[in-house]
Amino acid sequence: GAGVSQSPSNKVTEKGKDVELRCDPISGHTALYWYRQRLGQGLEFLIYFQGNSAPDKSGLPSDRFSAERTGESVSTLTIQRTQQEDSAVYLCASSQNLAGAQYFGAGTRLSVL
Amino acid sequence: AQSVTQLGSHVSVSEGALVLLRCNYSSSVPPYLFWYVQYPNQGLQLLLKYTSAATLVKGINGFEAEFKKSETSFHLTKPSAHMSDAAEYFCAVSDQASGTYKYIFGTGTRLKVLA
Repeated sequence: GAGVSQSPSNKVTEKGKDVELRCDPISGHTALYWYRQRLGQGLEFLIYFQGNSAPDKSGLPSDRFSAERTGESVSTLTIQRTQQEDSAVYLCASSQNLAGAQYFGAGTRLSVL
Repeated sequence: AQSVTQLGSHVSVSEGALVLLRCNYSSSVPPYLFWYVQYPNQGLQLLLKYTSAATLVKGINGFEAEFKKSETSFHLTKPSAHMSDAAEYFCAVSDQASGTYKYIFGTGTRLKVLA
């Protein structure tokens, strides 16, 4: 596609529910990243995928967070048993190669009530 | 470990005045540095990047940044501010040491342009 696409753009859920966020990277981009942006704060790295290599999950805040990627295409970020502190904007980015600039989607705004 | 510090969480300038947003980095290897802009309720848009070529990097919308190794800085400038420049700006360094090249972001600077 022309850019990184994320869905849904907004998600409101109840505490304890599971949510799934989707990211469609730019076609041909081998690297895909997930970041979290809490209100009034900077961005924090969550997880990274590069081709068929094992993902770098070092940024995931707890075992309630997981992500998958199918080949070099779509990725889903799953948050189980959501908590209020999970409320944030979740941003996905892709890059053509490791040294290339990352291009970001518009994000998914998650609100946990 | 690599890190980025943005001095000034809020900066106000008059329309037509010089814009200067500060970014200092720490890196054990030659860094890759980036500036992004975020408009309200939107994702991040790449302004410019430094990847060890020319030290003065020109980006979109009239912005530029100069890599100064001696000062470990990568400040963002624009000669004349427009109202449309009001947004939040993030400096980032690419974490090459880990091999993932994930970005380590500064905390952001919100730019306000006064009429």
